[in-house]
Amino acid sequence: NAGVTQTPKFRILKIGQSMTLQCTQDMNHNYMYWYRQDPGMGLKLIYYSVGAGITDKGEVPNGYNVSRSTTEDFPLRLELAAPSQTSVYFCASSKGWGTGNTEAFFGQGTRLTVV
Amino acid sequence: LAKTTQPISMDSYEGQEVNITCSHNNIATNDYITWYQQFPSQGPRFIIQGYKTKVTNEVASLFIPADRKSSTLSLPRVSLSDTAVYYCLVNDQAAGNKLTFGGGTRVLVKP
Repeated sequence: NAGVTQTPKFRILKIGQSMTLQCTQDMNHNYMYWYRQDPGMGLKLIYYSVGAGITDKGEVPNGYNVSRSTTEDFPLRLELAAPSQTSVYFCASSKGWGTGNTEAFFGQGTRLTVV
Repeated sequence: LAKTTQPISMDSYEGQEVNITCSHNNIATNDYITWYQQFPSQGPRFIIQGYKTKVTNEVASLFIPADRKSSTLSLPRVSLSDTAVYYCLVNDQAAGNKLTFGGGTRVLVKP
Protein backbone atom coordinates (compact mmCIF):
# COMPACT_ATOMS: atom_id res chain seq x y z
CA ASN A 1 0.00 0.00 0.00
CA ALA A 2 1.37 3.37 -1.01
CA GLY A 3 -1.20 5.22 1.10
CA VAL A 4 -1.80 8.78 -0.09
CA THR A 5 0.39 9.96 -2.95
CA GLN A 6 0.69 13.58 -3.99
CA THR A 7 2.37 14.96 -7.08
CA PRO A 8 4.30 17.08 -7.68
CA LYS A 9 6.34 17.58 -4.51
CA PHE A 10 7.46 21.07 -5.51
CA ARG A 11 6.27 23.57 -8.07
CA ILE A 12 6.89 27.19 -8.96
CA LEU A 13 4.11 28.96 -10.81
CA LYS A 14 3.93 32.39 -12.34
CA ILE A 15 1.07 34.67 -11.43
CA GLY A 16 -1.95 33.87 -13.59
CA GLN A 17 -0.86 30.34 -14.50
CA SER A 18 -2.97 27.29 -13.71
CA MET A 19 -2.06 23.86 -12.46
CA THR A 20 -3.52 20.70 -11.00
CA LEU A 21 -2.24 19.09 -7.83
CA GLN A 22 -2.73 15.35 -8.01
CA CYS A 23 -3.78 13.14 -5.10
CA THR A 24 -4.31 9.39 -5.19
CA GLN A 25 -5.07 6.93 -2.41
CA ASP A 26 -5.07 3.14 -2.57
CA MET A 27 -6.88 2.41 0.70
CA ASN A 28 -10.41 2.50 -0.77
CA HIS A 29 -11.27 5.40 1.52
CA ASN A 30 -14.49 7.25 0.93
CA TYR A 31 -13.43 10.57 2.42
CA MET A 32 -10.73 12.76 0.91
CA TYR A 33 -9.55 16.22 1.90
CA TRP A 34 -7.37 19.04 0.64
CA TYR A 35 -5.64 21.38 3.07
CA ARG A 36 -3.24 24.25 2.77
CA GLN A 37 -0.71 25.18 5.42
CA ASP A 38 1.01 28.54 5.51
CA PRO A 39 4.34 28.90 7.37
CA GLY A 40 3.93 28.56 11.14
CA MET A 41 0.17 28.09 10.89
CA GLY A 42 -2.30 25.25 11.22
CA LEU A 43 -3.98 23.45 8.34
CA LYS A 44 -6.91 25.08 6.59
CA LEU A 45 -9.48 22.88 4.84
CA ILE A 46 -9.97 23.84 1.19
CA TYR A 47 -12.34 21.16 -0.12
CA TYR A 48 -13.40 17.71 0.89
CA SER A 49 -15.28 14.79 -0.60
CA VAL A 50 -17.34 12.07 1.05
CA GLY A 51 -17.36 9.83 -2.01
CA ALA A 52 -17.04 9.72 -5.78
CA GLY A 53 -19.11 12.44 -7.39
CA ILE A 54 -19.58 14.43 -4.15
CA THR A 55 -17.50 17.43 -3.13
CA ASP A 56 -18.02 20.29 -0.71
CA LYS A 57 -16.30 23.49 0.29
CA GLY A 58 -14.13 23.80 3.34
CA GLU A 59 -12.90 26.94 5.09
CA VAL A 60 -10.87 28.50 2.24
CA PRO A 61 -12.23 27.32 -1.16
CA ASN A 62 -11.82 30.55 -3.16
CA GLY A 63 -9.40 30.21 -6.05
CA TYR A 64 -9.59 26.42 -6.11
CA ASN A 65 -11.67 23.71 -7.72
CA VAL A 66 -11.88 19.97 -7.18
CA SER A 67 -13.43 16.92 -8.76
CA ARG A 68 -13.92 13.36 -7.57
CA SER A 69 -14.68 11.10 -10.49
CA THR A 70 -13.22 7.98 -8.85
CA THR A 71 -12.75 6.77 -5.27
CA GLU A 72 -8.97 6.88 -5.66
CA ASP A 73 -8.35 10.33 -7.12
CA PHE A 74 -9.05 13.81 -5.81
CA PRO A 75 -7.25 16.46 -7.89
CA LEU A 76 -7.09 20.10 -6.81
CA ARG A 77 -7.14 22.72 -9.55
CA LEU A 78 -5.69 26.21 -9.19
CA GLU A 79 -6.93 28.68 -11.76
CA LEU A 80 -5.16 32.03 -12.18
CA ALA A 81 -2.53 31.47 -9.51
CA ALA A 82 -1.90 34.33 -7.08
CA PRO A 83 0.97 34.95 -4.61
CA SER A 84 -1.52 34.38 -1.77
CA GLN A 85 -1.73 30.74 -2.87
CA THR A 86 1.92 30.16 -2.01
CA SER A 87 1.67 27.42 0.59
CA VAL A 88 2.15 23.75 1.32
CA TYR A 89 -0.80 21.64 0.21
CA PHE A 90 -1.72 18.38 1.88
CA CYS A 91 -4.13 15.76 0.68
CA ALA A 92 -5.65 13.27 3.12
CA SER A 93 -8.08 10.37 3.13
CA SER A 94 -10.10 8.49 5.72
CA LYS A 95 -12.78 5.83 5.95
CA GLY A 96 -15.16 8.28 7.57
CA TRP A 97 -18.06 5.95 8.19
CA GLY A 98 -19.98 5.52 11.39
CA THR A 99 -18.85 6.54 14.82
CA GLY A 100 -15.19 7.19 15.41
CA ASN A 101 -12.88 5.54 12.92
CA THR A 102 -11.91 8.81 11.33
CA GLU A 103 -8.15 8.30 11.29
CA ALA A 104 -6.93 10.36 8.37
CA PHE A 105 -3.84 9.50 6.37
CA PHE A 106 -1.88 12.35 4.83
CA GLY A 107 0.30 12.67 1.79
CA GLN A 108 3.78 14.18 1.90
CA GLY A 109 2.60 17.53 0.66
CA THR A 110 3.15 19.78 -2.36
CA ARG A 111 5.16 22.93 -1.81
CA LEU A 112 3.83 25.58 -4.18
CA THR A 113 5.38 28.98 -4.80
CA VAL A 114 3.63 31.59 -6.92
CA VAL A 115 5.89 34.36 -8.18
CA LEU B 1 -19.31 22.86 14.73
CA ALA B 2 -17.28 21.89 17.78
CA LYS B 3 -14.41 24.36 17.98
CA THR B 4 -11.29 23.35 19.88
CA THR B 5 -8.97 25.49 21.97
CA GLN B 6 -5.50 24.40 23.03
CA PRO B 7 -2.33 26.16 24.24
CA ILE B 8 -0.14 27.67 21.56
CA SER B 9 3.10 26.20 22.86
CA MET B 10 4.67 24.15 25.65
CA ASP B 11 8.24 23.43 26.63
CA SER B 12 9.43 20.25 28.31
CA TYR B 13 12.58 18.27 29.00
CA GLU B 14 13.59 14.81 27.94
CA GLY B 15 12.14 12.10 30.13
CA GLN B 16 9.28 14.22 31.43
CA GLU B 17 5.59 13.63 30.87
CA VAL B 18 3.84 16.17 28.68
CA ASN B 19 0.12 16.84 29.09
CA ILE B 20 -1.75 18.95 26.55
CA THR B 21 -5.32 19.90 27.36
CA CYS B 22 -7.83 20.73 24.66
CA SER B 23 -11.15 22.45 25.28
CA HIS B 24 -14.19 21.52 23.13
CA ASN B 25 -17.21 22.91 24.94
CA ASN B 26 -19.64 22.38 22.07
CA ILE B 27 -18.84 18.74 21.36
CA ALA B 28 -21.89 16.79 20.16
CA THR B 29 -23.08 13.48 21.55
CA ASN B 30 -21.70 11.34 18.73
CA ASP B 31 -18.43 13.19 18.15
CA TYR B 32 -15.04 11.62 18.79
CA ILE B 33 -11.84 13.38 19.81
CA THR B 34 -8.72 12.78 17.76
CA TRP B 35 -5.13 13.95 18.15
CA TYR B 36 -2.56 14.33 15.40
CA GLN B 37 1.18 15.01 15.46
CA GLN B 38 3.00 16.98 12.80
CA PHE B 39 6.73 17.26 12.24
CA PRO B 40 8.17 20.06 10.07
CA SER B 41 7.74 19.48 6.34
CA GLN B 42 5.52 16.45 6.89
CA GLY B 43 1.81 15.78 6.88
CA PRO B 44 0.04 15.21 10.21
CA ARG B 45 0.06 11.72 11.66
CA PHE B 46 -2.73 10.14 13.71
CA ILE B 47 -1.81 9.58 17.36
CA ILE B 48 -4.92 8.57 19.26
CA GLN B 49 -8.69 8.79 19.24
CA GLY B 50 -11.29 8.46 21.99
CA TYR B 51 -14.90 9.01 22.99
CA LYS B 52 -14.86 8.95 26.79
CA THR B 53 -12.80 7.98 29.86
CA LYS B 54 -9.29 6.83 28.99
CA VAL B 55 -7.66 5.43 25.90
CA THR B 56 -4.07 4.26 25.77
CA ASN B 57 -1.86 3.03 22.97
CA GLU B 58 1.86 2.53 22.53
CA VAL B 59 2.44 6.21 21.92
CA ALA B 60 0.13 8.18 24.20
CA SER B 61 -2.86 8.26 26.53
CA LEU B 62 -6.01 10.27 26.11
CA PHE B 63 -8.08 11.30 29.12
CA ILE B 64 -11.66 12.47 28.61
CA PRO B 65 -13.79 13.54 31.59
CA ALA B 66 -17.43 12.58 31.90
CA ASP B 67 -18.73 15.89 30.49
CA ARG B 68 -16.44 15.50 27.45
CA LYS B 69 -15.92 19.25 27.23
CA SER B 70 -12.18 18.81 27.32
CA SER B 71 -9.54 16.16 26.75
CA THR B 72 -5.91 15.73 27.72
CA LEU B 73 -3.25 14.11 25.60
CA SER B 74 -0.48 12.62 27.71
CA LEU B 75 2.92 11.82 26.23
CA PRO B 76 4.97 9.76 28.71
CA ARG B 77 8.74 10.25 29.00
CA VAL B 78 9.19 12.48 25.97
CA SER B 79 12.36 12.52 23.90
CA LEU B 80 13.82 15.15 21.58
CA SER B 81 12.06 13.43 18.67
CA ASP B 82 8.67 14.27 20.20
CA THR B 83 9.24 17.93 19.35
CA ALA B 84 6.31 18.63 17.02
CA VAL B 85 2.97 20.36 16.70
CA TYR B 86 0.03 18.50 18.24
CA TYR B 87 -3.50 19.06 17.01
CA CYS B 88 -6.74 18.25 18.79
CA LEU B 89 -9.73 17.65 16.51
CA VAL B 90 -13.35 16.83 17.02
CA ASN B 91 -14.82 14.93 14.08
CA ASP B 92 -18.03 16.83 13.48
CA GLN B 93 -20.39 14.07 12.40
CA ALA B 94 -23.20 16.55 11.86
CA ALA B 95 -21.00 18.21 9.26
CA GLY B 96 -20.10 14.93 7.58
CA ASN B 97 -16.93 14.23 9.54
CA LYS B 98 -15.30 17.31 8.09
CA LEU B 99 -11.86 17.37 9.71
CA THR B 100 -11.06 20.92 10.76
CA PHE B 101 -7.70 21.70 12.31
CA GLY B 102 -7.06 24.48 14.80
CA GLY B 103 -3.70 26.11 15.42
CA GLY B 104 -2.25 23.22 17.38
CA THR B 105 0.20 23.17 20.29
CA ARG B 106 3.87 23.50 19.50
CA VAL B 107 5.78 21.23 21.90
CA LEU B 108 9.49 21.77 22.27
CA VAL B 109 11.43 19.06 24.09
CA LYS B 110 14.77 20.24 25.44
CA PRO B 111 17.77 18.11 26.38
